[in-house]
Amino acid sequence: QSVLTQPPSMSAAPGLKVTISCSGSSSNIGKNYVSWYQQLPGTAPKLLIYDNNKRPSGIPDRFSGSKSGTSATLGITGLQTGDEADYYCGTWDSSLSTGVFGGGTNLTVL
Amino acid sequence: QVQLQESGPGLVKPSETLSLTCTVSGGSITNYYWSWIRQPPGKGLEWIGNTYYGGNTKYNPSLKSRVAISADTSRTQFSLKLNSVTAADTAVYYCARHIGMWAFDIWGRGTLVTVSS
Repeated sequence: QSVLTQPPSMSAAPGLKVTISCSGSSSNIGKNYVSWYQQLPGTAPKLLIYDNNKRPSGIPDRFSGSKSGTSATLGITGLQTGDEADYYCGTWDSSLSTGVFGGGTNLTVL
Repeated sequence: QVQLQESGPGLVKPSETLSLTCTVSGGSITNYYWSWIRQPPGKGLEWIGNTYYGGNTKYNPSLKSRVAISADTSRTQFSLKLNSVTAADTAVYYCARHIGMWAFDIWGRGTLVTVSS
């Protein structure tokens, strides 16, 4: 059972937009910054968003992040088949004194 | 650009110690925090702990009694030791660099460690 809650799976058609939610609590998302990762099959996770809404160099602006209260959201517009992957949110939990991740969302683009 | 590479045994016997090294190439390990993160087969990510070149470390409380992470600035490496392993410690182990307030921007390719007799 992950500290951060994500929907296990989502699907959407190419070209459309999807939003992936990450729900936490006042001790993690509520007071700390959130990051998002994309993991293609058989590869290491790749940073998409850090500090809630910042994109590292090289990440297209199709990817966006936001945070409100104890929840965070990853938005992906103009979906492509290459976006099929697992997506994870992560943050620090001040009560548990540890880094925590969501359980991951498997995105299908069909 | 900075790259990370994990190395170490792929098979460890139960009750023994898992030892991995992460070699940082293309940059220094100073001025950054460095983490170990693992992923059991078919499951999600678990943060193990981190180190700073000056020696500061933080560990996941669920592993704290069994884990040690250290950095060797002269070799631009940092290491993970996890003792008294069981089958539950079977996972792909990643090393990663911190940026921002809590994020990992550079990851190694990961190394699968299987705990089995």
